Amino acid sequence: AQKVTQAQTEISVVEKEDVTLDCVYETRDTTYYLFWYKQPPSGELVFLIRRNSFDEQNEISGRYSWNFQKSTSSFNFTITASQVVDSAVYFCALILGSGGSYIPTFGRGTSLIVHP
Amino acid sequence: ETGVTQTPRHLVMGMTNKKSLKCEQHLGHNAMYWYKQSAKKPLELMFVYNFKEQTENNSVPSRFSPECPNSSHLFLHLHTLQPEDSALYLCASSHGLAGDRGEQFFGPGTRLTVL
Repeated sequence: AQKVTQAQTEISVVEKEDVTLDCVYETRDTTYYLFWYKQPPSGELVFLIRRNSFDEQNEISGRYSWNFQKSTSSFNFTITASQVVDSAVYFCALILGSGGSYIPTFGRGTSLIVHP
Repeated sequence: ETGVTQTPRHLVMGMTNKKSLKCEQHLGHNAMYWYKQSAKKPLELMFVYNFKEQTENNSVPSRFSPECPNSSHLFLHLHTLQPEDSALYLCASSHGLAGDRGEQFFGPGTRLTVL
């Protein structure tokens, strides 16, 4: 069975600091997809990124960047120059790619608080 | 504006009431999901529908009864709930179930309080 661990329950930073949210996953499958979602105080989860297991290239989108490392089974998320609007709960998730359950496995989430 | 809407946004009900939560997606997706999110607990997947057929029931008590009349609409019928069922109920949809089509789009949720 697959598992997603977000060991950081809550992170508190001051605006403009860089912050990294950790995500470690476990699966025996070779084909899988990893996701990050953001849940602001309004409640709805917002999809941020999808990465498949065959693509280890890091990705940058504005102040957001993702570091996928199969060697350590990690898919970490970094916010550069954090802003108050980044305050939210962030979830990492995994879905198997083929021949397995397509049910998404979510981590418990990391609550990020950015202080002005 | 999200492509997934949920009504009502807030619901207070007694343990003997019957109510229904509604979810509608305008994204042309084929899969829909119900999740329960309680305070201090991880996101719990309840039900999955793919092309209107239920593909997953994650050991959910029978007091929760889902209905998916078409790929755009999903309901969660509630009856004789318990106070511990108070939570945020989130609906989501995706193109498909497979990972390469599996990114989910969520609605704003229904905040349910059971008295």
